[in-house]
Amino acid sequence: NAGVTQTPKFQVLKTGQSMTLQCAQDMNHEYMSWYRQDPGMGLRLIHYSVGAGITDQGEVPNGYNVSRSTTEDFPLRLLSAAPSQTSVYFCASSSGDRLYGYTFGSGTRLTVV
Amino acid sequence: EDQVTQSPEALRLQEGESSSLNCSYTVSGLRGLFWYRQDPGKGPEFLFTLYSAGEEKEKERLKATLTKKESFLHITAPKPEDSATYLCAVQAYDNFNKFYFGSGTKLNVKP
Repeated sequence: NAGVTQTPKFQVLKTGQSMTLQCAQDMNHEYMSWYRQDPGMGLRLIHYSVGAGITDQGEVPNGYNVSRSTTEDFPLRLLSAAPSQTSVYFCASSSGDRLYGYTFGSGTRLTVV
Repeated sequence: EDQVTQSPEALRLQEGESSSLNCSYTVSGLRGLFWYRQDPGKGPEFLFTLYSAGEEKEKERLKATLTKKESFLHITAPKPEDSATYLCAVQAYDNFNKFYFGSGTKLNVKP
């Protein structure tokens, strides 16, 4: 029972590079989301999806793209990395109406130099 | 604007010394208030959902309560393994796809 799997765990990028953070869940959850966590600021929602083919923006979507072609996968793409995107990124999933909490992945620590 | 504020930012307790963490919120129509525990280098782990004022939930040494403006996480006779960051989040009726998280309280329990 893997839950939510994120890869990679650590990544260093140069300014301007692009990359994709991977997220997969095996719980058949409809809802998936991406958060970033910065010191003193709490978790902030980047993008979310309520099902395959449906995505929407969260609080801080600029510089990020998402797509959801299957129920299981929800990758996050950084189009042109900037130092301000240095953060820890978490993918989370939930079933139904989200009242039973999220299941979070273990995170990706990204550094942009 | 929906907001969540947690206090204190950090709390140091001796083993067995009970205390409470606070989560104050401003939201237009609370649908749910959530508590999570986060260990260093890991993702948050779900603890409780509270739905309405007056509700209480318990799990081992933790008890969460809810009023119309705030929630408390009471820790009774804590142990060193309770050391973690505790996060609070709210979900509103007008957009239950979005959760708003506080910045957390870092709890350190010394033996």
